[in-house]
Amino acid sequence: DAKTTQPPSMDCAEGRAANLPCNHSTISGNEYVYWYRQIHSQGPQYIIHGLKNNETNEMASLIITEDRKSSTLILPHATLRDTAVYYCIVRGATSGTYKYIFGTGTRLKVLA
Amino acid sequence: DTGVSQDPRHKITKRGQNVTFRCDPISEHNRLYWYRQTLGQGPEFLTYFQNEAQLEKSRLLSDRFSAERPKGSFSTLEIQRTEQGDSAMYLCASSLSGTNEKLFFGSGTQLSVL
Repeated sequence: DAKTTQPPSMDCAEGRAANLPCNHSTISGNEYVYWYRQIHSQGPQYIIHGLKNNETNEMASLIITEDRKSSTLILPHATLRDTAVYYCIVRGATSGTYKYIFGTGTRLKVLA
Repeated sequence: DTGVSQDPRHKITKRGQNVTFRCDPISEHNRLYWYRQTLGQGPEFLTYFQNEAQLEKSRLLSDRFSAERPKGSFSTLEIQRTEQGDSAMYLCASSLSGTNEKLFFGSGTQLSVL
């Protein structure tokens, strides 16, 4: 089972920041938080990942709380092309496996 | 970087037939994953390889499913005696193992079992 909880859907106005929350209260010390997104009819696409520090790349920013029990993916200026399902994944070797377990994600709709 | 390639993109088959899908990973990637996805659900893990070794297989995977990765390059996923419940998108992903591991997915093979 996925170790994360995400809202099933969110709307965001085009040009505004999209803030997608994720709860991972059972995360272990050596587990990373990953974000992927899936645009309709395509395979998931890597966005960003982090362990405990905030991270930023050309696509997004990842803010992880100090206790690491939740995180927020920020798309600073959402466009219509950011409409997708966003998956938050916790992954590491704690359970003896490195597989990625996807939940049902957050369906983000960017509105014109 | 030519990306992860999957073949075919679509497959329609009759119940009881065998089907085989192929995945060509990014050339220097040592890990290869297979996932299955049905409408409205996230990708469901099936199995993964590190080089040619199959390191993990989902308990949900029946013995009608088999995957291989000869020589640690391309991989095949075979489904024997297909059932209507096997209808799904089959996704392949590859990665380079390490702390900054990132999965790169192909576009998937859409299987329809009639």
